[in-house]
Amino acid sequence: EIVLTQSPATLSLSPGERATLSCRASQSVSSYLAWYQQKPGQAPRLLIYDASNRATGIPARFSGSGSGTDFTLTISSLEPEDFAVYYCQQRSNWQYTFGQGTKLEIK
Amino acid sequence: QVQLQESGPGLVKPSETLSLTCTVSGGSISSYYWSWIRQPAGKGLEWIGRIYTSGSTNYNPSLKSRVTMSVDTSKNQFSLKLSSVTAADTAVYYCARDLGIAAAGPRYYYYGMDVWGQGTTVTVSS
Repeated sequence: EIVLTQSPATLSLSPGERATLSCRASQSVSSYLAWYQQKPGQAPRLLIYDASNRATGIPARFSGSGSGTDFTLTISSLEPEDFAVYYCQQRSNWQYTFGQGTKLEIK
Repeated sequence: QVQLQESGPGLVKPSETLSLTCTVSGGSISSYYWSWIRQPAGKGLEWIGRIYTSGSTNYNPSLKSRVTMSVDTSKNQFSLKLSSVTAADTAVYYCARDLGIAAAGPRYYYYGMDVWGQGTTVTVSS
């Protein structure tokens, strides 16, 4: 099973600042990685697919990068609605796993 | 636009079978993968498995012995059964449309899970 490790567990920033979230895979997943945002009481929302492509309707301030084992989600300038939990998820050999999540909180 | 709605009992007794259905509205269930994901309170997401509209399945190895998924294209529904449940199976259960991998030009892309149900809470307790 491929393990995804997200860091940091919690990120405290202010609106307007830049957020950088990391996801590391225990073995290569090529570019088969997605990022999701989850707010309290809501289902996850797809942000990024195939490591670097924004899903439909996702603002340009969200960007993804990486391939192989190291991936990054960047939010260029935080808006109040961006404070949430973010999960990475990989697809490999017909199996999916999620990272444990990064909580982005208001400083 | 496509919407998903989970339904099923909110309370299941230990050792019994959890049964949930996801109804797809606003679009066809055909020619897609459909996944189930769960989330214990205050914890992260766990993928349970997925089913294609042909009926082919992939399950999480840690749950494989207890999971059965099925699809009813005539009703635009797919279902999850999880047997021999314990308190550890208490969670919010989500269904999601799984776009999987597809070719675009010279290479393949992984398109992720783009539509999710609102989730349904299942508690395992006597």
